[in-house]
Amino acid sequence: DTAVSQTPKYLVTQMGNDKSIKCEQNLGHDTMYWYKQDSKKFLKIMFSYNNKELIINETVPNRFSPKSPDKAHLNLHINSLELGDSAVYFCASRDLAGGQGTDTQYFGPGTRLTVL
Amino acid sequence: DQQVKQNSPSLSVQEGRISILNCDYTNSMFDYFLWYKKYPAEGPTFLISISSIKDKNEDGRFTVFLNKSAKHLSLHIVPSQPGDSAVYFCAASEVSGANSKLTFGKGITLSVRP
Repeated sequence: DTAVSQTPKYLVTQMGNDKSIKCEQNLGHDTMYWYKQDSKKFLKIMFSYNNKELIINETVPNRFSPKSPDKAHLNLHINSLELGDSAVYFCASRDLAGGQGTDTQYFGPGTRLTVL
Repeated sequence: DQQVKQNSPSLSVQEGRISILNCDYTNSMFDYFLWYKKYPAEGPTFLISISSIKDKNEDGRFTVFLNKSAKHLSLHIVPSQPGDSAVYFCAASEVSGANSKLTFGKGITLSVRP
């Protein structure tokens, strides 16, 4: 009964490859996010989607393309992987309809991406 | 440009004592603040939050204090337990609605000694 799940948990790949990370939430939330935690441990937002519509794009390289087939899923596709893409990627969701004071986001377990 | 700062990278306390984790922010537009707890190889887990209209919020052993004039918040854990050993992230948001996003600090590693 995992609330926010991600697959795979670990991903090791070569530079130049294309890979995808999947995220699903069963909380009934309408907003989903992708965060990147780099080697300096900062968690930084990359994208947010609300009801399948892109809301936030934090100047992420266009090699990163999120896709939301429905409001319970937000996948992240990365083209032409680079060494600097190595990080832990977290998916999160939030119930936007909850109104003021419900900025609480719920996170998945993370996907550790290693680019060799 | 770090808008949320957790200047102490680590804290070690004795079991049963109080843990005080500090967080400072620079963006005066932040109006909602959260603390997340993270164990290794897991995602951050929501712990407690506070709105800018309050100066204190309590939930069991966890209390968050907000000093808006000083742009400072702190998380108090009393009494501390070994299971509290984790990384604690402070986060803040300035906008409600679809454009809301969280800005995180770097985290503080708390170790509670038995």
